[in-house]
Amino acid sequence: RKEVEQDPGPFNVPEGATVAFNCTYSNSASQSFFWYRQDCRKEPKLLMSVYSSGNEDGRFTAQLNRASQYISLLIRDSKLSDSATYLCVVNGAAGNKLTFGGGTRVLVKP
Amino acid sequence: EAQVTQNPRYLITVTGKKLTVTCSQNMNHEYMSWYRQDPGLGLRQIYYSMNVEVTDKGDVPEGYKVSRKEKRNFPLILESPSPNQTSLYFCASSGRDRGNSNEQFFGPGTRLTVL
Repeated sequence: RKEVEQDPGPFNVPEGATVAFNCTYSNSASQSFFWYRQDCRKEPKLLMSVYSSGNEDGRFTAQLNRASQYISLLIRDSKLSDSATYLCVVNGAAGNKLTFGGGTRVLVKP
Repeated sequence: EAQVTQNPRYLITVTGKKLTVTCSQNMNHEYMSWYRQDPGLGLRQIYYSMNVEVTDKGDVPEGYKVSRKEKRNFPLILESPSPNQTSLYFCASSGRDRGNSNEQFFGPGTRLTVL
C-alpha cells in the first residue's frame, strides 16, 4: 500500500460546480498535511495547509480526519483556472520527510 | 524576487556521462531537497539537506549524489546516468530546519533524458 494515495481522476467538473476529493495516508504518526497545486508539469505550489479543525481559504476547504486517516479538499464555484493537478502532501514520522500523493487531476469545463 | 532556480531546464545526455544539475535559492532557507517526478509514481524525494554540510537520503537516493557546501546551493550529481534516471527533477527549499512544517518553494524543474 502506498503511503499517500489519491484518486488520479480526472474529475471533469462543470464551471460553477463543487468538486471534492480525498487523500488517504498510511502513517498514523503523520503530523502535517498540505495540498499543493501543479499545472501542466510545472513546479508544485502550496495551495493550503490542512489543520486539525479544518480550514477554508476562499473557495477552498480542507478537512482532516485522523481517525480514518484521510484529508479532503473541496472546491466551490469552480473556475476554469482551477484546472490543475492537486497533490496531497503528508509529513512522515521522521519529521523532515514529505511524502507526496500521485495527484488528482481536475478539469473544469465551460 | 524570491525564487529557486535550476539549471539546466532541459538536458538530453547519454548513458554514463557525468552530469550536474544546479539548484540555488535566494531566500536564506536552511532546508533544501531534490525530488523526481515520474508518471504514476508522483514526486519522490531523492536527497535532502537540513543545513550546510548536512545531507541525508530520501526515498530514492541510488545513483545520485548531492553536496551542500553553501547555504544557497544544492547541486544534484549523476556520476553515471542511466536511462531509468530519465525524469522530471525538482529542487525545493523551505525556511525551517524541519522543512515539513513550512511551505516548500520549488524550482521550475529540469527535464532530463538519458539515452
